[in-house]
Amino acid sequence: GENVEQHPSTLSVQEGDSAVIKCTYSDSASNYFPWYKQELGKRPQLIIDIRSNVGEKKDQRIAVTLNKTAKHFSLHITETQPEDSAVYFCAASKKSYGKLTFGQGTILTVHP
Amino acid sequence: DVKVTQSSRYLVKRTGEKVFLECVQDMDHENMFWYRQDPGLGLRLIYFSYDVKMKEKGDIPEGYSVSREKKERFSLILESASTNQTSMYLCASGRLDSPGNTIYFGEGSWLTVV
Repeated sequence: GENVEQHPSTLSVQEGDSAVIKCTYSDSASNYFPWYKQELGKRPQLIIDIRSNVGEKKDQRIAVTLNKTAKHFSLHITETQPEDSAVYFCAASKKSYGKLTFGQGTILTVHP
Repeated sequence: DVKVTQSSRYLVKRTGEKVFLECVQDMDHENMFWYRQDPGLGLRLIYFSYDVKMKEKGDIPEGYSVSREKKERFSLILESASTNQTSMYLCASGRLDSPGNTIYFGEGSWLTVV
């Protein structure tokens, strides 16, 4: 089955800096890669996603890049703010009932 | 707005007890999922269902079973709870034909087995 590895497990940055979280996946048939943000005590919520026919996608301060050849994808957050502090999960799936395989999560802390 | 509701937010159960975790979604989604969340391990899929009365094992089904008698409801059952099942359980739902396979999570159920 699919295996998703996520790094780093913790990331600490100063407000205004950029943050990058990286994931690798094992199944070359995977074609959908979402990122979820989970604030303390709350449910994971989708923040951005990318499909395998696209190399990059941007939404304001967040962007995701995908390298299908190397089987890795990354989340980039620019101009970080304290409210970006949360756990971030990457995931991968192929068209099989929408089953997502998640990475281990990254705890992002943005210091004011 | 998608709503996925888990009936119990916090439970404390004794070893050997039978535990039911209930999940209801109001968006007529075909797919429903149960994940378990543990620090450092991310979200691991226990079971999922793509239709009423249909179920498929995920990555860690041992010690769990599920029931989907109605489209909107998906239940996770721990037949005999054990301390290593202490965890946060997340239910999720999504459309079968969603172009991005986006799934939506409930608030989670914190289960402690003593």
